Amino acid sequence: NAGVTQTPKFRILKIGQSMTLQCAQDMNHNYMYWYRQDPGMGLKLIYYSVGAGITDKGEVPNGYNVSRSTTEDFPLRLELAAPSQTSVYFCASSTDITKNIQYFGAGTRLSVL
Amino acid sequence: AQTVTQSQPEMSVQEAETVTLSCTYDTSESDYYLFWYKQPPSRQMILVIRQEAYKQQNATENRFSVNFQKAAKSFSLKISDSQLGDAAMYFCAVILTGGGNKLTFGTGTQLKVEL
Repeated sequence: NAGVTQTPKFRILKIGQSMTLQCAQDMNHNYMYWYRQDPGMGLKLIYYSVGAGITDKGEVPNGYNVSRSTTEDFPLRLELAAPSQTSVYFCASSTDITKNIQYFGAGTRLSVL
Repeated sequence: AQTVTQSQPEMSVQEAETVTLSCTYDTSESDYYLFWYKQPPSRQMILVIRQEAYKQQNATENRFSVNFQKAAKSFSLKISDSQLGDAAMYFCAVILTGGGNKLTFGTGTQLKVEL
């Protein structure tokens, strides 16, 4: 009964370092999403994917990259980490357009110092 | 692009009482879905309730119900018989049909439940 799994749960990066946030879902969902949540704010969409091999930018894509080689996995890559990327990152997945319900992972808290 | 506004940063309610959280949104589309998500201290985003814009009947889920006013673009959440476990941040969100299911969130309302 895993649902959407994100790793790691916490991470501290130094400015300029790179890392990949992992996201995996076991519900065979076609749609997957990455959001960031800054303190006191709602979630903002970084990137999304409508299926394996297809990705597109969301509202705040700068500084991030994604890939979707399988239905299950949707990693988010941070290149040259900056303090502005300190945030909580959420991955989500959904099954189809008609229901539109997104299922979220538990989040990754990232600090860039 | 659609926008979602939650004008109440914080709300308090006594246990067993009723509270209403406000949400307004703006979109030029006519076909969309509205959601309320709950985020407890664990940070997990939990779906509370969902409303389809083409349905006039307000959605209900146990103690949670919505007042959906499409013409006014208003989507408030009513929590009845409030419980300590209802304490959380509540986010209103809208999604347009088609276009990749992209959710647009409001800034949230922190709900405190007092004994």
